[in-house]
Amino acid sequence: QSVLTQPPSVSGAPGQRVTISCTGSSSNIGAGFDVHWYQQLPGRVPKLLIYHNNNRPSGVPDRFSASKSGTSASLAITGLQAEDEAEYYCQSYDSTLSYVFGTGTKVTVL
Amino acid sequence: QVQLQESGPGLLKPSGTLSLTCGVSGASIRSDHWWSWVRQSPGKGLEWIGEIHHSGGTNYNPSLKTRVSMSIDTSKSQFSLKLYSLTAADTAVYFCARDSSYRLYYFDSWGQGSLVTVSS
Repeated sequence: QSVLTQPPSVSGAPGQRVTISCTGSSSNIGAGFDVHWYQQLPGRVPKLLIYHNNNRPSGVPDRFSASKSGTSASLAITGLQAEDEAEYYCQSYDSTLSYVFGTGTKVTVL
Repeated sequence: QVQLQESGPGLLKPSGTLSLTCGVSGASIRSDHWWSWVRQSPGKGLEWIGEIHHSGGTNYNPSLKTRVSMSIDTSKSQFSLKLYSLTAADTAVYFCARDSSYRLYYFDSWGQGSLVTVSS
């Protein structure tokens, strides 16, 4: 069961900007726990994309950015590329001492 | 660079027990990290199962707590998952993963995943 809510899908043409929302509650994002984002290419292992709300690991292009506010967070992809077509998951921590994931969003490049 | 590798049976029967092991290489399992299991049902999202520390401390997902047990063997640099009373709903790819440094509650390394199918 997913505790964080994401839109099932978003799409955009190459070069466009898309955003993915991640809605939590007062027991996770709203409690001050950081939000992290993963990219999962088809048939592949989840890859850390953003950590600590808005930090990119080495090697992640700066077209990926994220923010957090209140009980929600969002991921933005600017200059969308064909290689960005994947499933994206947000993740946080919860006061029940559990890691919690988002429902996942499939990004389609038109 | 740390590497994680899951191993275990791929086909199990309902009411049975899942046993998976994650081998850790390239880093010490005794480092100050927590080691987790995460699963992904076919076509579904990610679900955290639980975590363990080399000290033996554990935390489990409340929704699975009554059916989960984790252990760690530092001499073999591996940690394990047991999931009891299996049903078809437990069919999933099971990943082992490492929590970040400084307990920042994200996963910085993942295994390749092990598909477990529960079927009679």
